[in-house]
Amino acid sequence: QKEVEQNSGPLSVPEGAIASLNCTYSDRGSQSFFWYRQYSGKSPELIMSIYSNGDKEDGRFTAQLNKASQYVSLLIRDSQPSDSATYLCAVKTRSNTGNQFYFGTGTSLTVIP
Amino acid sequence: NAGVMQNPRHLVRRRGQEARLRCSPMKGHSHVYWYRQLPEEGLKFMVYLQKENIIDESGMPKERFSAEFPKEGPSILRIQQVVRGDSAAYFCASSLLESFSGNTIYFGEGSWLTVV
Repeated sequence: QKEVEQNSGPLSVPEGAIASLNCTYSDRGSQSFFWYRQYSGKSPELIMSIYSNGDKEDGRFTAQLNKASQYVSLLIRDSQPSDSATYLCAVKTRSNTGNQFYFGTGTSLTVIP
Repeated sequence: NAGVMQNPRHLVRRRGQEARLRCSPMKGHSHVYWYRQLPEEGLKFMVYLQKENIIDESGMPKERFSAEFPKEGPSILRIQQVVRGDSAAYFCASSLLESFSGNTIYFGEGSWLTVV
């Protein structure tokens, strides 16, 4: 299976700080990259997607992609206690049989009030 | 516009029984993925299906597990002769027929299987 690596954490940041989450992937043929947020006991929900090198901003979230380094990151500005969750990095890779999505093990984030 | 629907949400089975988990994809979606998540672990890919076809089952255990996505009706993940190690959350996700790289997958609420 294609590898998607994340630092499992836990990562703790104080409220209002910037949280930085990192992800690396092994398949250079990967096309699209996604960040999902998963609260305990809940299903993953999509929060960001990125397809091209560089930064993509959406509110307090910024995704960064560097295909040469096979590296994706997610920055959360002005972190709130409600951001406390596990963040999953997902990579989409095209194969002869269709598209496949591979997930990292997730990084647990705790925002301390 | 209903999302991905999974049922049952919670299922308790005794060792040796069968578990059947159902998934109805989001309207208009023709691709279904099943993932398993053990406690405190990440999402592990199990199987990828289109209507009446298994596209990739490389993540499925060789025995006791099977999946289908019939022409009519939901996708079914079937686990025969369950063991305690099968206790996990099983997530179904669906996506559109792929037409551009931006399509992603959307998850159902999950089915939590407990084997006693």
